[in-house]
Parts: sequence; structure tokens; C-alpha cells
Amino acid sequence: EDKVVQSPLSLVVHEGDTVTLNCSYEVTNFRSLLWYKQEKKAPTFLFMLTSSGIEKKSGRLSSILDKKELSSILNITATQTGDSAIYLCAVVAGGTSYGKLTFGQGTILTVHP
Amino acid sequence: DTAVSQTPKYLVTQMGNDKSIKCEQNLGHDTMYWYKQDSKKFLKIMFSYNNKELIINETVPNRFSPKSPDKAHLNLHINSLELGDSAVYFCASSLGLAGLSGELFFGEGSRLTVL
Repeated sequence: EDKVVQSPLSLVVHEGDTVTLNCSYEVTNFRSLLWYKQEKKAPTFLFMLTSSGIEKKSGRLSSILDKKELSSILNITATQTGDSAIYLCAVVAGGTSYGKLTFGQGTILTVHP
Repeated sequence: DTAVSQTPKYLVTQMGNDKSIKCEQNLGHDTMYWYKQDSKKFLKIMFSYNNKELIINETVPNRFSPKSPDKAHLNLHINSLELGDSAVYFCASSLGLAGLSGELFFGEGSRLTVL
């Protein structure tokens, strides 16, 4: 069965700090890894990483995929209170799992002013 | 204009009742999904439809029955509700299969509480 584990489960920092969130996976026939941010309601998409796109950056957020280590990190620099959210990592496998996102349990990030 | 909309947003009901949650997307996507998020915030897929055809059917009790009347709609009907069904149910959609051709777009969720 496909498995995704995120660490840490929760993190409390102050504004301006840099944080690194981790995601490791065990899947058969890996296709892609996606990061989402969930505030109060719907998860919103951040990045999708594949074999052909192992590094993505958007403003203060960046993510890298390490296919050898079967993991990914999400970096947030100069954190702001608006970054407080649950960050979800999900992996898509091939075969009969096409289209199915297997999510990790999430990392709860709290940024204090 | 909400891209993926679900109704109702909140639902409180008694054990044993039957209830439905409706979902509509106006993104022109051809694939729709139901995910369940439990109290520990774990998101788990339940069903997926591509062009009205069921393509993913996880190990879900057969009290849960999805129905896709067309590509823009995916409804979820739940019979004989149990306490353990209490959760937030998210509808989502994608163009093609999520994670292959693009990402998943989520609705705002329907919080179901079974008393």
C-alpha cells in the first residue's frame, strides 16, 4: 500500500524564521508529488514535482524532490503569520492508482508575530 | 465565482438517517473526486469519476454511493449513517487525472456530524 509520512507533525516559529517541512513516501511506480496548503477550508495547490521537474519556487516558498531518497522538502523563508496553516504532501503512483492522491498526515505550522 | 462548490456546507443528523452531499464544478474538468478528512486531518480518497465513469473506488462501505449525472456534477449519498461517518467530505476535480496532467482543485468541504 502507498504510504506518505510528513514531519514534523507540528511546528511553531516566529515571523521572519525559515522553516523546512519534510515528506517521505513509499509508492510503487511513482509519478508525482504535490504540496497543498490548508487554512480553514479547502486545500489549495502549491507545487507539483515530477521526474522532469524536481525543483519549484514561488516567492518565499520552494520545494525540491529527491527521487533517490524518496522524499521532498518544502521551504518557507521569512515566514509571515499568513503562512500559518496545515501543509499537506501527496503522492501519485501509476498503474491502477492513476489519479489517486495519497496524502500524508500534514504538518501544522503556526507562525507567531 | 466558486470553481468547485459543495452543498450543504454543514450537516447535522441522527444515526441511521440517509443524507446526500452535492458537488458541482465549473472549471470544465473531466474528472471528479470525493475525499474524506477525519478528525486528525487525514485526507483519504473515496471515489473518482472520469467522464461520468467510476475509475477509483477505494475500500468504502457500500452505504456510500456516488453518482455522476454529468461531467460537472458528482454527488455522494450515504445510507444508514453511523457515528464514524462524522468527518469533512471534500469534493475535488481535475483536468485529466490528478498528479499526471495537473493538480486537484478542492471544494470548501461539507462537515457532516452524526449524533
